[in-house]
Amino acid sequence: AQSVTQPDIHITVSEGASLELRCNYSYGATPYLFWYVQSPGQGLQLLLKYFSGDTLVQGIKGFEAEFKRSQSSFNLRKPSVHWSDAAEYFCATAYMRFGAGTRLTVKP
Amino acid sequence: EAGVTQFPSHSVIEKGQTVTLRCDPISGHDNLYWYRRVMGKEIKFLLHFVKESKQDESGMPNNRFLAERTGGTYSTLKVQPAELEDSGVYFCASSRGPGWEQYFGPGTRLTVT
Repeated sequence: AQSVTQPDIHITVSEGASLELRCNYSYGATPYLFWYVQSPGQGLQLLLKYFSGDTLVQGIKGFEAEFKRSQSSFNLRKPSVHWSDAAEYFCATAYMRFGAGTRLTVKP
Repeated sequence: EAGVTQFPSHSVIEKGQTVTLRCDPISGHDNLYWYRRVMGKEIKFLLHFVKESKQDESGMPNNRFLAERTGGTYSTLKVQPAELEDSGVYFCASSRGPGWEQYFGPGTRLTVT
């Protein structure tokens, strides 16, 4: 069965620091993978998606993610975090499987 | 284009009462999904409509939950009778096709007391 694991429940980084949020998937074939962000009081917004091709995917708001089949991972990265990035981030497959989410706190 | 909308944004009901949640998908999106997130847990899939048909309802927790999508436009999710463990945030999403990008509504926070 497909599953998605986000090992980190909560991460705190300083503004301007780099960020990496981890996502591991369990799926036999090449998965479709997504990262969503949810800000307080908002619905989930798509940051980026991977279907096939280039394993480094660029998204909105300066985020990127790298698909690594050998590690079954699809980690989300941002080189310099802004205070407005504080939110909850979800990794998901196309088949309605979400991770538990990682809450990001940004310190001034 | 208008996004996915959900109503109400927040509902507080007593155990044993009935609540109906509504979702209006993006116009032209045949695929509509319901999800639930209990506090601190993962977002769990409930069911998937393609137009008015239930494509997959494997995530529906029990027969107290009834989802409909008459006419293939908006959808309702009724909980009857509500139990304490039904509390959580119910999200609706829509997409052009299965496996395509899903657009999410803001969610309905349901509190059963």
